[in-house]
Amino acid sequence: DAGITQSPRYKITETGRQVTLMCHQTWSHSYMFWYRQDLGHGLRLIYYSAAADITDKGEVPDGYVVSRSKTENFPLTLESATRSQTSVYFCASRIGQLTQPQHFGDGTRLSIL
Amino acid sequence: GENVEQHPSTLSVQEGDSAVIKCTYSDSASNYFPWYKQELGKRPQLIIDIRSNVGEKKDQRIAVTLNKTAKHFSLHITETQPEDSAVYFCAAGTGNQFYFGTGTSLTVIP
Repeated sequence: DAGITQSPRYKITETGRQVTLMCHQTWSHSYMFWYRQDLGHGLRLIYYSAAADITDKGEVPDGYVVSRSKTENFPLTLESATRSQTSVYFCASRIGQLTQPQHFGDGTRLSIL
Repeated sequence: GENVEQHPSTLSVQEGDSAVIKCTYSDSASNYFPWYKQELGKRPQLIIDIRSNVGEKKDQRIAVTLNKTAKHFSLHITETQPEDSAVYFCAAGTGNQFYFGTGTSLTVIP
């Protein structure tokens, strides 16, 4: 769906550097999510946001920071990247309650050398 | 938090046969169970979901069953086709979020 866009699609960086992954949605969905996908682990929730200025931790929040100053944007920052954070990152959004469809972006493939 | 286990991790079937993927969950409060399909290099996409007040749901060749007592739910794909080849994820949750299983890689052999 063109309504949720992630950038960049691919990123290579070095350990210790700060990197920010962007997520933008045009639907005005209340909820936004960040997942990481690793072989053997499926999709694991990093952080989520129920509305602007409201964020909460998921399963694997350590080493990540999020913010949501505007409803449409939900950036994810790795403040000091480590090799263990090499992964594919997916952003998702949902209009409201849990039983509403959750839509995913195309993902960002992040490699940390 | 919720713990979702998914089996098998890989599954190969002949075209036209049925495929069954099973998941168990740990939190009895979970009341929503979506299934996602992810093709290689693509985003996960919702294919079917079921709520805790329903035992079974069908959508053409796809069906999902839920046993709340046993805390397990299953995805059934009938008359499989090559385009069904993908990774399938179950999930379970309540409140604001759901948790995913580790995925099943389904290969449909023509």
